[in-house]
Amino acid sequence: GAVVSQHPSRVICKSGTSVKIECRSLDFQATTMFWYRQFPKQSLMLMATSNEGSKATYEQGVEKDKFLINHASLTLSTLTVTSAHPEDSSFYICSARETGNTDTQYFGPGTRLTVL
Amino acid sequence: QKEVEQDPGPLSVPEGAIVSLNCTYSNSAFQYFMWYRQYSRKGPELLMYTYSSGNKEDGRFTAQVDKSSKYISLFIRDSQPSDSATYLCAGGSGGYNKLIFGAGTRLAVHP
Repeated sequence: GAVVSQHPSRVICKSGTSVKIECRSLDFQATTMFWYRQFPKQSLMLMATSNEGSKATYEQGVEKDKFLINHASLTLSTLTVTSAHPEDSSFYICSARETGNTDTQYFGPGTRLTVL
Repeated sequence: QKEVEQDPGPLSVPEGAIVSLNCTYSNSAFQYFMWYRQYSRKGPELLMYTYSSGNKEDGRFTAQVDKSSKYISLFIRDSQPSDSATYLCAGGSGGYNKLIFGAGTRLAVHP
């Protein structure tokens, strides 16, 4: 149980284009999902907290107009990197917290984004 | 000061050794703690969840929490090369909507 998937696992795009990453909880409902960014050999950096049916809460320094988050259902959250640039190249990981469980987060396998 | 401090390593040990991974935290509001294992280019995998001070054992893994000294540990017995990964500790509380992660410790177990 507690499986989280991400799609795509890897994406390469041209500078200036937008990329959408999906995060799905496969066997549980997740009222809250989180989006992280991770640079090589560094720890997780929380970008935003996504709550189903409401606006995401962004961490300080994260541009909400650049990283659009939609959490339209209890099993799906999406992160759209708009007008991507090479500095946006990173490993993006989502996690999901089961509805009614205030503690444990289960992580997806991550999406590697490369912007040329 | 970071809320959760963790030595990034790398920590290199021979196969079969007992590994001790440690974190300290500063936020007294933390009520629960987690250890995640992350292999290269993969998402973190939950290893242990602890809510109170004391020890919790699961197979070769033991998590220890000492809230009085704000110190958490993960012990790995009979370490295997497959344990080579980055280990992340994290703390959270009911008042927080998020986990606060340490920087992660890179562990290498060599045959």
